[in-house]
Amino acid sequence: DGGITQSPKYLFRKEGQNVTLSCEQNLNHDAMYWYRQDPGQGLRLIYYSQIVNDFQKGDIAEGYSVSREKKESFPLTVTSAQKNPTAFYLCASSSRSGGNTEAFFGQGTRLTVV
Amino acid sequence: EDQVTQSPEALRLQEGESSSLNCSYTVSGLRGLFWYRQDPGKGPEFLFTLYSAGEEKEKERLKATLTKKESFLHITAPKPEDSATYLCAGTGTASKLTFGTGTRLQVTL
Repeated sequence: DGGITQSPKYLFRKEGQNVTLSCEQNLNHDAMYWYRQDPGQGLRLIYYSQIVNDFQKGDIAEGYSVSREKKESFPLTVTSAQKNPTAFYLCASSSRSGGNTEAFFGQGTRLTVV
Repeated sequence: EDQVTQSPEALRLQEGESSSLNCSYTVSGLRGLFWYRQDPGKGPEFLFTLYSAGEEKEKERLKATLTKKESFLHITAPKPEDSATYLCAGTGTASKLTFGTGTRLQVTL
């Protein structure tokens, strides 16, 4: 059953702590993306990767880091430098980079700072 | 900078009452216009891709259309299970998806 798996579904972070959100896909897609969704705002791009071992900053990369060591995996680390990390985080993938193919999304991780 | 604007913000329909959702875009070198459905607490579910003005796509009670400046998502005889947030996104020469803020649709009996 092909798809994108995000884990965990819910995550709680203490002030000053780094946390890592997992994203795995078995669709054999080249491109992967991380978005952040806040109430009343559109999805905003954090980082994207078009190929293994390469990634680019999106519109709101500050306070986040990523890696792309395997085609199937694109984990996102929310660092203590991210001042307002409470949000719904969505991972997506698409078969080609270049933007003219649809992206498919995982079910999201809701991160809350406690 | 690419921009996508959706209207209305929220829409309440009675079952069977057809309507349209609007997506206005300014995307440089548009390569694709995408519609997604998102249920509360879930990731967006892909519905349609439109590539050029005049194109139309249909799926059950939904039909998406595209002009040079706008896209419409027409909902014919909606049912309560069509209640969701509908997201529009465009991609162009910048090669990244720009999303609108969505239209929250509620369909009542």
